[in-house]
Amino acid sequence: GQQVMQIPQYQHVQEGEDFTTYCNSSTTLSNIQWYKQRPGGHPVFLIQLVKSGEVKKQKRLTFQFGEAKKNSSLHITATQTTDVGTYFCAGRDYGQNFVFGPGTRLSVLP
Amino acid sequence: DVKVTQSSRYLVKRTGEKVFLECVQDMDHENMFWYRQDPGLGLRLIYFSYDVKMKEKGDIPEGYSVSREKKERFSLILESASTNQTSMYLCASSPRSPPDSYFGPGTRLTVL
Repeated sequence: GQQVMQIPQYQHVQEGEDFTTYCNSSTTLSNIQWYKQRPGGHPVFLIQLVKSGEVKKQKRLTFQFGEAKKNSSLHITATQTTDVGTYFCAGRDYGQNFVFGPGTRLSVLP
Repeated sequence: DVKVTQSSRYLVKRTGEKVFLECVQDMDHENMFWYRQDPGLGLRLIYFSYDVKMKEKGDIPEGYSVSREKKERFSLILESASTNQTSMYLCASSPRSPPDSYFGPGTRLTVL
């Protein structure tokens, strides 16, 4: 079945440094979504990417969808302590299965 | 604002008990989902429903059943709770389009 992997599993950065998490699917995706879960909270939808090679920005966050629609990345520029949390990608394949990656837990040191 | 509520934040049950987890959404969403979240495993889909009285198995349906008698309510049932079902359970709902999910606060279930 479809598998979605994320790397790294954990990332510790100094405040102000950049951060990137990568999401890789074993199958081609119809779309990919990104979620953020704060410690003790629940996942909150950030964005959806649909088109091959698509790039979307939300303030300091940049999301990319690969040309082959099998991978995606989330890049945060100049991290802040409010960026702390676990970032999940979730891929939907053409069979409409929706699979979450295991998440990347980001710690930001002040 | 979309609101997804779950009946309990914390629940402690004994092995063999029947457990009901309730989820209610107030945005008339067609799709509803039940996930469990375990450290290092992320979110795993247990069951989902795309319409009233419709249900589909997710990746890990064993030991669980669901009920969707009304559009706004999706219930997860553990027929006979076991210790390996100790987990955080998250309910989510989404419209048919765009299918972005809104999550409830979660229920942390401990089975002793």
